[in-house]
Amino acid sequence: RKEVEQDPGPFNVPEGATVAFNCTYSNSASQSFFWYRQDCRKEPKLLMSVYSSGNEDGRFTAQLNRASQYISLLIRDSKLSDSATYLCVVNVNNDMRFGAGTRLTVKP
Amino acid sequence: GAVVSQHPSWVICKSGTSVKIECRSLDFQATTMFWYRQFPKQSLMLMATSNEGSKATYEQGVEKDKFLINHASLTLSTLTVTSAHPEDSSFYICSASVVVAGGRADTQYFGPGTRLTVL
Repeated sequence: RKEVEQDPGPFNVPEGATVAFNCTYSNSASQSFFWYRQDCRKEPKLLMSVYSSGNEDGRFTAQLNRASQYISLLIRDSKLSDSATYLCVVNVNNDMRFGAGTRLTVKP
Repeated sequence: GAVVSQHPSWVICKSGTSVKIECRSLDFQATTMFWYRQFPKQSLMLMATSNEGSKATYEQGVEKDKFLINHASLTLSTLTVTSAHPEDSSFYICSASVVVAGGRADTQYFGPGTRLTVL
């Protein structure tokens, strides 16, 4: 089983749609969690950290479920500019483990 | 915010030559730097983790004699691809992080990447 698993997609959604990504992790000792976005041929950029209580930043909401070992990212009111690959990242003992990413395409 | 730079941003070289890539944290001191490789349409693959002043820790399957990492200061790490071959052509990305209280690594900040093409 992979340490961090994501549905690779692609998710093709119309503008304005709400889309959710899940990510599961295998190591219960994982300490911190992040969502990054990566545009084609660019470096990953931090989208948001994921806190135990869940957190929201504008149209983006991240949640953590330690019992089930998954984190989620919800994007509301999708924009064309949200098209990217979303990477789930899990920190285990200072080792940052990346999921393979979920591709999102938002269409007009 | 934290800024990480990489140089060069792209390089084309002949097979058999060595290529050095620099990664710098511009506005913070990075206790740990990471080197990744990414092939087209694939996920990031961690190659090695380096802490300032100590030897890098390489991931399984990554040849330490081929990918030389030097982390000489808290703001600079270098990756040298020795005797590069076409199969080494890839997107190489570094990242830097700071260990916060409790010994946990904080957020990673990525450099813009270096696109290496070996002819």
